[in-house]
Amino acid sequence: NAGVTQTPKFRILKIGQSMTLQCTQDMNHNYMYWYRQDPGMGLKLIYYSVGAGITDKGEVPNGYNVSRSTTEDFPLRLELAAPSQTSVYFCASSYSMADTQYFGPGTRLTVL
Amino acid sequence: RKEVEQDPGPFNVPEGATVAFNCTYSNSASQSFFWYRQDCRKEPKLLMSVYSSGNEDGRFTAQLNRASQYISLLIRDSKLSDSATYLCVVNMYSGTYKYIFGTGTRLKVLA
Repeated sequence: NAGVTQTPKFRILKIGQSMTLQCTQDMNHNYMYWYRQDPGMGLKLIYYSVGAGITDKGEVPNGYNVSRSTTEDFPLRLELAAPSQTSVYFCASSYSMADTQYFGPGTRLTVL
Repeated sequence: RKEVEQDPGPFNVPEGATVAFNCTYSNSASQSFFWYRQDCRKEPKLLMSVYSSGNEDGRFTAQLNRASQYISLLIRDSKLSDSATYLCVVNMYSGTYKYIFGTGTRLKVLA
């Protein structure tokens, strides 16, 4: 039982490049989330999903897209990377929205 | 006013000391409460949920005061391994659930 896994661990992008951050969970959780964490700031919700095929915006969705074709996977797409997207990205999952969230190890992204 | 506020610290305490952190929340619709621990450059991990009656897990005690809208975390007999950032998390229901993270309180336990 690996929990929540994320790839890659680190990535450097140039302005304007695109990339997909991968997230997979093996706990059969319906709910999945993407957060970003900037230094000295709390985690901010980017997007979340309540099940396969259903996604919704969080607090800071601009510049990102998501899809959820399976229960296990919830990739986050950056289409045109900007320096403001330099951050640590965490994926999380939970049994329900009222429940504890379990986090992946994070992806450190730098946009230069 | 921030929805969840914590003193950022750092709290520097000697090994064996008792330390307490508070966290205030602004929305009375808040439903459930958690303390997460985050080590440097790692993901947040659940430390404990916080119940209305208060709860204890070994050296850690969490309390909730709904009237004053704050939660607290007490760590007794601090260990070097307790050094981390402690995140207060409030789960609020307002049509849908919303998990709000505090910015964290940094603890350094000194030998």
